[in-house]
Amino acid sequence: GESVGLHLPTLSVQEGDNSIINCAYSNSASDYFIWYKQESGKGPQFIIDIRSNMDKRQGQRVTVLLNKTVKHLSLQIAATQPGDSAVYFCAENGIGNKLTFGGGTRVLVKP
Amino acid sequence: EAGVTQFPSHSVIEKGQTVTLRCDPISGHDNLYWYRRVMGKEIKFLLHFVKESKQDESGMPNNRFLAERTGGTYSTLKVQPAELEDSGVYFCASSQGSFASYEQYFGPGTRLTVT
Repeated sequence: GESVGLHLPTLSVQEGDNSIINCAYSNSASDYFIWYKQESGKGPQFIIDIRSNMDKRQGQRVTVLLNKTVKHLSLQIAATQPGDSAVYFCAENGIGNKLTFGGGTRVLVKP
Repeated sequence: EAGVTQFPSHSVIEKGQTVTLRCDPISGHDNLYWYRRVMGKEIKFLLHFVKESKQDESGMPNNRFLAERTGGTYSTLKVQPAELEDSGVYFCASSQGSFASYEQYFGPGTRLTVT
């Protein structure tokens, strides 16, 4: 079946550096992707999304890149801050707004 | 405006017992979703309500799980009887619409521990 997965389970990054979180997906028909951030004790929170007709989308300190050729997307966080420490999930949004999540990457920001 | 709320935040039960989880969506959101994350695996879709109707229950693992949304407001998810493999975090989300452009807002989750 289709799946969305992650390459790195844990990413340790120095405060102020940039973070890059990667995600692979298997369904070539997927056309809408979302990155979520989950902090301890909270549910996933929307960060940024991208549709398959785009290669790149930028938000505040975050950028999502989509490479449809290799079915890969990434989340880049600029100037990582302590508040960015969390688990990050990529998800494919399918029919009926049904989300298919990847396994998650924990980002630890070192002071 | 209040977000999605879930109750309880944590439940510890013995194998074979029954547990009922509750989700209160954001007011006015017709779409309600249940997801769960079990033992180191990814968050998986369970089912989707539109108002009181089950739109998609393809993710429900077996008939020990029963979800209801009487009146189209809050929803309950009952596990009866609970098994060890049901341990995990159960999330509820709600959205205004069921198209992909409608953001899903997640609750904090209920952590279920079956011993």
